[in-house]
Amino acid sequence: AQSVTQLGSHVSVSEGALVLLRCNYSSSVPPYLFWYVQYPNQGLQLLLKYTSAATLVKGINGFEAEFKKSETSFHLTKPSAHMSDAAEYFCAVSKNNAGNMLTFGGGTRLMVKP
Amino acid sequence: EAGVTQFPSHSVIEKGQTVTLRCDPISGHDNLYWYRRVMGKEIKFLLHFVKESKQDESGMPNNRFLAERTGGTYSTLKVQPAELEDSGVYFCASSQRGAPGLDEQYFGPGTRLTVT
Repeated sequence: AQSVTQLGSHVSVSEGALVLLRCNYSSSVPPYLFWYVQYPNQGLQLLLKYTSAATLVKGINGFEAEFKKSETSFHLTKPSAHMSDAAEYFCAVSKNNAGNMLTFGGGTRLMVKP
Repeated sequence: EAGVTQFPSHSVIEKGQTVTLRCDPISGHDNLYWYRRVMGKEIKFLLHFVKESKQDESGMPNNRFLAERTGGTYSTLKVQPAELEDSGVYFCASSQRGAPGLDEQYFGPGTRLTVT
């Protein structure tokens, strides 16, 4: 069985500060890992994904995440937060086979202070 | 190109009533997924269609939930009779090939269901 844990249901940063959203996973097989973002009144949008190629994955809007197998982590970072980054972020894992269901973490709401 | 659309955006019903949620996937996407987020909890998988066939319905909570996908196009999710614990946001997603890591799932905005 797979599971995803996101540490911190709410994270607050100042504009221009580093964003770090934590995600740890457990999986019996090498996983595919994803970060999604949900802006108010919108659907989830894919930020980036890890699919066993490069361990450092770059996504949209300046976000990136690093897959660390030894730590079973896939933390999301952005060097400098912008007000428009305020949203809810979800880490998800999918098995390395067909049947593409996603298993999500609980979500982290990012607040950006001016 | 239109994204995944869901109707209604909000629904408030009384316990015991029936509600039907609709999802229109992106045109040409054979794979359609339903997920649900109960307040304060994580988003959970409900089921997966490939065209009109149910590929995986392991996440369906119980037999009060019925999902259909007529002709492999739009999908409906009926809850009958609704219970208080069914309240939450129901998300629909679609993808073209259904291959993990190779194929992005595009999500709709969700339907917020409140059962009173």
